[in-house]
Amino acid sequence: DVKVTQSSRYLVKRTGEKVFLECVQDMDHENMFWYRQDPGLGLRLIYFSYDVKMKEKGDIPEGYSVSREKKERFSLILESASTNQTSMYLCASSLPIRDHTNNEQFFGPGTRLTVL
Amino acid sequence: AQKITQTQPGMFVQEKEAVTLDCTYDTSDQSYGLFWYKQPSSGEMIFLIYQGSYDEQNATEGRYSLNFQKARKSANLVISASQLGDSAMYFCAMREGQGYSTLTFGKGTMLLVSP
Repeated sequence: DVKVTQSSRYLVKRTGEKVFLECVQDMDHENMFWYRQDPGLGLRLIYFSYDVKMKEKGDIPEGYSVSREKKERFSLILESASTNQTSMYLCASSLPIRDHTNNEQFFGPGTRLTVL
Repeated sequence: AQKITQTQPGMFVQEKEAVTLDCTYDTSDQSYGLFWYKQPSSGEMIFLIYQGSYDEQNATEGRYSLNFQKARKSANLVISASQLGDSAMYFCAMREGQGYSTLTFGKGTMLLVSP
């Protein structure tokens, strides 16, 4: 069964701490994504990566960075956590686009981060 | 302008009835894809159904079907014979063009199925 795993389901951190959220996929997917989900706002893309060591900004990259040293692992980093980064964080992976194919994104279970 | 609009924040339906969740989209690309995902209270996102812009037939997957009206730029999800387990948040999403397969999501519709 295909799988995307995230390092923690729940995380509580203090303002100013450096926070690492880890995501691992076992499907050999090229693409990986980080979203945050807030009530009433849906999912918003923070960063994505289409290959090892490659990264692209999404819609809301401010305050975040990412790292992809291995194909199966994509890390989201909050350099100095702030209370407005309290949210649900979802990781996803997918194959690259092929003509007229689905290439759905597969999601991890999410990490609910609270910054105090 | 929003690229994906889901106008129904919440929907109520009785078990065994059919329900339609609305989704309209905005794109100037000729090639795009439309997705529906389900998110139960557990939080995981579950892929339900996909419609490509060049697909001439409406997509179907079991009890789920996608009512694709290209001229109206709508991609409504139809769930037939609702079940209690269908209670969840539902998100419509769009992938545009031939880029990196990023998705733009709508704000979601909460569906509650009552006995």
